[in-house]
Amino acid sequence: SQTIHQWPATLVQPVGSPLSLECTVEGTSNPNLYWYRQAAGRGLQLLFYSVGIGQISSEVPQNLSASRPQDRQFILSSKKLLLSDSGFYLCAWSVLAGDGNEQFFGPGTRLTVL
Amino acid sequence: TQLLEQSPQFLSIQEGENLTVYCNSSSVFSSLQWYRQEPGEGPVLLVTVVTGGEVKKLKRLTFQFGDARKDSSLHITAAQPGDTGLYLCAGKYSGAGSYQLTFGKGTKLSVIP
Repeated sequence: SQTIHQWPATLVQPVGSPLSLECTVEGTSNPNLYWYRQAAGRGLQLLFYSVGIGQISSEVPQNLSASRPQDRQFILSSKKLLLSDSGFYLCAWSVLAGDGNEQFFGPGTRLTVL
Repeated sequence: TQLLEQSPQFLSIQEGENLTVYCNSSSVFSSLQWYRQEPGEGPVLLVTVVTGGEVKKLKRLTFQFGDARKDSSLHITAAQPGDTGLYLCAGKYSGAGSYQLTFGKGTKLSVIP
C-alpha cells in the first residue's frame, strides 16, 4: 500500500530564516506530487505540483520554491521566511486515472514564523 | 478563476441528528471528491463522483452529484461525535489542467454528544 510522509511535523522559525520541508511517498512509482498551504483550518491553496523528476509548476508567485530531486521526493524551500508564510503545509500525491484526480495527503507540517 | 462554494461554513448539531452540506459551482466538473480533515491532520479522501446524478453511500454518509455536474451534496444520517471535522469538496473542472483540483473552503462540523 502507498504511504506518504512529511517532516518535520511542526516547525517554529524566525522571520528571514531559511526553510526546507520534505515529503516522500512509498509504494507507488512516478506519482504526481503537490504542495498545498492551508490557512486557519480552511481551504487549500495549491502552491506547486510536479509530474516528474525536475519538473515543477508554480501556481502562485511567492518567496517559496519546490524541487523534486528523486521520483518520490518533493521538497518545499525558502531562502528567507516571511510572517505570512505561517500555515499548515500539506503534501499530496496522485496517479491520474480516467476522469478523476484523487489526491492523497500527508500528515502535514505546521509552520509558525515569528 | 473558478470558485467552489461550500455551505454552511459552520454546523453544530446534536448526536443523532441528520445534516446535509453543499458544494456548488457555476462551472461543470469532470469529477468531484469529498474529504474529511481532523485538526492537525491531512485530509482523508471519502469518495469520488464522476457521473451526473450519481449517488454513493459510505455507511451513514450519502454523496450525490448533481445532474449537470455543477454541484454536490453530502448527507449524514444519525450523526456521531466521530463525524466531527472539516468536510472539503474538491473538483476537477472540465477543460482544466489534468493535475489541478480546486478546493472549497470547507464545512466545519461539530457533533455534540
